[in-house]
Amino acid sequence: GIQVEQSPPDLILQEGANSTLRCNFSDSVNNLQWFHQNPWGQLINLFYIPSGTKQNGRLSATTVATERYSLLYISSSQTTDSGVYFCAVERSDMRFGAGTRLTVKP
Amino acid sequence: ETGVTQSPTHLIKTRGQQVTLRCSSQSGHNTVSWYQQALGQGPQFIFQYYREEENGRGNFPPRFSGLQFPNYSSELNVNALELDDSALYLCVSTSGSTGELFFGEGSRLTVL
Repeated sequence: GIQVEQSPPDLILQEGANSTLRCNFSDSVNNLQWFHQNPWGQLINLFYIPSGTKQNGRLSATTVATERYSLLYISSSQTTDSGVYFCAVERSDMRFGAGTRLTVKP
Repeated sequence: ETGVTQSPTHLIKTRGQQVTLRCSSQSGHNTVSWYQQALGQGPQFIFQYYREEENGRGNFPPRFSGLQFPNYSSELNVNALELDDSALYLCVSTSGSTGELFFGEGSRLTVL
């Protein structure tokens, strides 16, 4: 099946810093989404981005489908950004990466 | 608010028992999937239902089964529970128009 790799696995930032999270996938996909999982386990859809670039406030994402990767940018990070960020890709079903655990310190 | 609700939110079972987890998704979301998320890992695909029929399955044994109903609700049943079944179980509905996924808050199962 399709492989999804996320990097880095863990990231610790000081509040206000910027960061880039990466998602590589092993085959062509129909869809790609980024999710944030809060400490209570709720998965929140950040971006639905099979290709191109989207921005939503301090967050933006870029997917280069031909090169099989996607990037999630977080600017001016806040403590509330802490949690695990997942990339999920779809061919016949959605497959998730192992996630990047982000900790933002005040 | 994702429009996907799951119940119960937490439950404790003992090894060998059976469990039923429930999910209610948005009207018009004909596809529902179930995922298992063990501690510290990403969600793992269990199976997917489309219009009340299973149309995809991950690497899970037959004791994991499901149902989807016409009213956009669904169930995940697990028989003969094992300790390793302890996890967060996530229900996901898919928008038929956009393909976006919407997650419920999950049911956290502990098997003792």
